[in-house]
Amino acid sequence: SQTIHQWPATLVQPVGSPLSLECTVEGTSNPNLYWYRQAAGRGLQLLFYSIGIDQISSEVPQNLSASRPQDRQFILSSKKLLLSDSGFYLCAWDRAMNTEAFFGQGTRLTVV
Amino acid sequence: QKEVEQNSGPLSVPEGAIASLNCTYSDRVSQSFFWYRQYSGKSPELIMSIYSNGDKEDGRFTAQLNKASQYVSLLIRDSQPSDSATYLCAVNGNSGYALNFGKGTSLLVTP
Repeated sequence: SQTIHQWPATLVQPVGSPLSLECTVEGTSNPNLYWYRQAAGRGLQLLFYSIGIDQISSEVPQNLSASRPQDRQFILSSKKLLLSDSGFYLCAWDRAMNTEAFFGQGTRLTVV
Repeated sequence: QKEVEQNSGPLSVPEGAIASLNCTYSDRVSQSFFWYRQYSGKSPELIMSIYSNGDKEDGRFTAQLNKASQYVSLLIRDSQPSDSATYLCAVNGNSGYALNFGKGTSLLVTP
């Protein structure tokens, strides 16, 4: 069966510090990978998606970036965090276009 | 901007009743529709997927799709307190990748 791992579960970072969140998927090959953010009281916002190694599409211009160095690894980064980057970050995967997505357990980021 | 709309609630139903959750979407060419359940502080969990007009049943859950009206619903029969959560409606994005989510409906099942 397929599993998705995301870490850390919680993170408190000062403004201006860097960020690296990692997500890995097991039990499947060539997954589509996604980073979403859920801010308090708001819906899930798509940040990035990737259909293959080193293929990243950005949906929202901001100070975040994503990378996919391996088939089943997806990394979300920032060089300098802003207060507005606080939120619940969710990694997800799916098998193909127009199919259901499965989420990791999420990382709750608080920028102070 | 493709939109998915849900009533934010809270929707309160007594234990054992039927909970009805509704969702409308703006992109007429959408093909795939999903319901997720999200407990407070947790990540979304897939409950149902539906791709064709009509009803799809899975245990106590029934998803209903009407593409002509651009309307998706989720019925929960014999609601339990453990069903209390936020229910997210999701529709495939116009690229075919990723999902557009509604903001969710909060459901409270009272004993």
